[in-house]
Amino acid sequence: SAVISQKPSRDICQRGTSLTIQCQVDSQVTMMFWYRQQPGQSLTLIATANQGSEATYESGFVIDKFPISRPNLTFSTLTVSNMSPEDSSIYLCSVRTSGRGEQYFGPGTRLTVT
Amino acid sequence: SQQGEEDPQALSIQEGENATMNCSYKTSINNLQWYRQNSGRGLVHLILIRSNEREKHSGRLRVTLDTSKKSSSLLITASRAADTASYFCATDGESGGGADGLTFGKGTHLIIQP
Repeated sequence: SAVISQKPSRDICQRGTSLTIQCQVDSQVTMMFWYRQQPGQSLTLIATANQGSEATYESGFVIDKFPISRPNLTFSTLTVSNMSPEDSSIYLCSVRTSGRGEQYFGPGTRLTVT
Repeated sequence: SQQGEEDPQALSIQEGENATMNCSYKTSINNLQWYRQNSGRGLVHLILIRSNEREKHSGRLRVTLDTSKKSSSLLITASRAADTASYFCATDGESGGGADGLTFGKGTHLIIQP
């Protein structure tokens, strides 16, 4: 398994501002993922972040809105840019430790945009 | 878009009873994973079942997979109040390269009555 931490755990932000969420893993992993969980909903994949290459975004998500960095094999950041109330969600970082194996999740960042 | 559908969306049972949740999906998969989420927190990985497996056990959990029907079930035996949570199935598709994240179902909210 993997131990994943996220910062911040929660934040309340003004519309029009940006927030950067950090994800730290206790071991080196190739595959990292970012998900969004809107209130009362299931999880939706935002993008896949591989070290040394640009993130791959899912349909409906764009780099200008959700820029991602992956500087090394244990760390990634997701920025939510120019926020609106519709961005209020839980954002979760996830890693896959081996091949097509288990995927583990961080504790999430609860974002509220006012 | 969501891959899976959980059934039922909500389930309330008495402590000590068994709880069964079902999940259906649409495309071919490499594996299917079940998660638990307590009160909007991070996801806890419960069990992974591969496409060539039909049944898997872990403690009080039993998972079945029927790839011909594109469905899976999660059985929790001898339920406890601490099992109250939302349960999600998530599929890992067969697309090449292992680059894809998971596609989640809508989830079942399980309430265990003391």
